[in-house]
Amino acid sequence: DIQMTQSPSTLSASVGDRVTITCRASQSVDSWLAWYQQPSGRAPHLLIYKTSNLQSGVPSRFSGSGSGTEFTLTISSLQPDDFATYYCQQYITNSATFGQGTKVEIK
Amino acid sequence: VQLLESGGDLVQPGGSLRLSCAASGFAFSGFAMTWVRQAPGKGLEWVSTITPYDGRTFYADSVKGRFTISRDNSNNALHLQMISLRAEDTALYYCHILIPRSWTTDYPLEFWGQGTPVTVSS
Repeated sequence: DIQMTQSPSTLSASVGDRVTITCRASQSVDSWLAWYQQPSGRAPHLLIYKTSNLQSGVPSRFSGSGSGTEFTLTISSLQPDDFATYYCQQYITNSATFGQGTKVEIK
Repeated sequence: VQLLESGGDLVQPGGSLRLSCAASGFAFSGFAMTWVRQAPGKGLEWVSTITPYDGRTFYADSVKGRFTISRDNSNNALHLQMISLRAEDTALYYCHILIPRSWTTDYPLEFWGQGTPVTVSS
């Protein structure tokens, strides 16, 4: 299975900060990379698919980039609703593995 | 679009359990479906996938030989049969639509259910 590694594991930031999360794959996943947000105590939901495409209703402060083995999720100006845990997922294979998660905390 | 999981329970080590996911609001038979679990305080772990038409199955090494994924396209249902359960299988189990490569937001989907809890303990 493809291993997905996120960094950092925890990120402390303030409202208004620009935040970047990195996801690395153990082998190329082309552009088949998704990002999910999971608020505390709730189910995950899709933010971004195919590396850089926003799910409907996702604010434009979220963006994704990358290709192959290295990807980033950027939040241009952190808002109170954005304090949550974020996961990347590769779906180039049917064994659709996740990164270990990045928790964005209030500084 | 809705995914509604059921079947989670408290079970003793070595026991068995069958989870179900009732899907509605989308063309279930055309989508690969997965089970994803989340142990308490931990991250998301992919468990198993079943493809839409030919029903090929894929499993994480941690569950291979103990879990069986299946689908009933006539009833829009996904199942996970779990045997020889261990304490480390304790988790919230989510039903999840695997994003098709051809998918765009032109076809609205909600990719996750709310989960069903499984606790393996004596």
